[in-house]
Amino acid sequence: QKEVEQNSGPLSVPEGAIASLNCTYSDRGSQSFFWYRQYSGKSPELIMFIYSNGDKEDGRFTAQLNKASQYVSLLIRDSQPSDSATYLCAVNPSGYALNFGKGTSLLVTP
Amino acid sequence: NAGVTQTPKFQVLKTGQSMTLQCAQDMNHNSMYWYRQDPGMGLRLIYYSASEGTTDKGEVPNGYNVSRLNKREFSLRLESAAPSQTSVYFCASSVGGRTDTQYFGPGTRLTVL
Repeated sequence: QKEVEQNSGPLSVPEGAIASLNCTYSDRGSQSFFWYRQYSGKSPELIMFIYSNGDKEDGRFTAQLNKASQYVSLLIRDSQPSDSATYLCAVNPSGYALNFGKGTSLLVTP
Repeated sequence: NAGVTQTPKFQVLKTGQSMTLQCAQDMNHNSMYWYRQDPGMGLRLIYYSASEGTTDKGEVPNGYNVSRLNKREFSLRLESAAPSQTSVYFCASSVGGRTDTQYFGPGTRLTVL
């Protein structure tokens, strides 16, 4: 079983702080990595993807990938209450299917 | 451009009944997917279609069948519904390829009594 592990949370951060979400994966052959955000009762929406080691920034979001450690993270700067959601890490080992983690619940408190 | 659409949004079935969940995408994507999402279990792949004319089993295919009707449409059928199939079902599509970004439909909430 190719596993993607996330802390279920909830992770609580104050408004304006940096939220750090982490994910580990078991398949060393994984090629691409995704972060999705899912609001309660809604479908997952893509935040960003990364497939090279290092950092990738998009606005307030930064994805970090370390293939040697099999670790991917998402940083949210200047967290807002509207960022409160469940964040899903997904890994593409190869080919077409994605393996999803169970998600981390983030709560940003005003 | 509607993206990925799913029908119905909600459905209640009795054990043993059958139904088909419909999914369509207007993004000219090659690959389409069916997932189920249960509390504490995350998203699990049921079936996928890498391209028109092909389908493959995912992690949890038992009790389901699929049809890739054409490039746009991918349906999921429950032949004899069971309470264990109570879940939220999401359809997704992607261009297909290395980055394989998947875009999700709004979901169908299915309850089997």
